[in-house]
Amino acid sequence: DAGVIQSPRHEVTEMGQEVTLRCKPISGHDYLFWYRQTMMRGLELLIYFNNNVPIDDSGMPEDRFSAKMPNASFSTLKIQPSEPRDSAVYFCASSLVLAGELFFGEGSRLTVL
Amino acid sequence: KQEVTQIPAALSVPEGENLVLNCSFTDSAIYNLQWFRQDPGKGLTSLLLIQSSQREQTSGRLNASLDKSSGRSTLYIAASQPGDSATYLCAVVWRGRDDKIIFGKGTRLHILP
Repeated sequence: DAGVIQSPRHEVTEMGQEVTLRCKPISGHDYLFWYRQTMMRGLELLIYFNNNVPIDDSGMPEDRFSAKMPNASFSTLKIQPSEPRDSAVYFCASSLVLAGELFFGEGSRLTVL
Repeated sequence: KQEVTQIPAALSVPEGENLVLNCSFTDSAIYNLQWFRQDPGKGLTSLLLIQSSQREQTSGRLNASLDKSSGRSTLYIAASQPGDSATYLCAVVWRGRDDKIIFGKGTRLHILP
C-alpha cells in the first residue's frame, strides 16, 4: 500500500479564500483522523471518522472548518473563509482500530497571507 | 484534565551514546501509548506501541517502557547514530466515556557526528 496520501503538499492562499485539503487513507483502515500541527500548540486532533461517519469533531476550531468523508477512500478538510491564524501543517492519519497504530500522511502545509 | 508532557524540548548527544527520552502523562488509566518519529517536513512514523498491560516494547535499538503508576514512559535509544536525529513524540490514549488521543509536543533530538 502507498500509505496515507495527502494533497496538496503546500498551499499558499490569501485571507478569505476557501481551502480544501484532501486525504486518501490506507485501504482497509476504518478510522481516519485530521490533525493540525503548529509550533505553539503542537499536534491537535481536529476530527476523526469511523467507517466514514464523523465521531468526534470537538477539536474543530470553529464553523469555518468542515470535514467530510464521502467514501472509505477519500476525505476532505475545508476552511472557508481562511484566516492567517489557520496557517499550519495539516495531517491526515488512519488506523485499523481506534487505539491502534497510527499511520500519517506527509502533511499539507498551509500558509494564509 | 489529561495532559502529556515531554521534557526536554531539545537534546543534543554525541554519536554512539545511549539516551533516554521522557514522556509524562496525567491520569494513569491509559489504554495505550505510542512513540513516533518525525523528520523535518515529514509526517509522523510510528515506532512502538505499548498497551496498558505491557511494561515494555522493543524494536531494534529502540526500547520503550511504561510505568502507569508513575505516569511515565521512556524511549531508550542504544548506540545513537546521526540518522536518529529527528523529533520524537509520544501519544497517549485514554478510553472510556470520551475517547482521547493526546500528543506531547515532542523532543527534538540532534546526534552530533
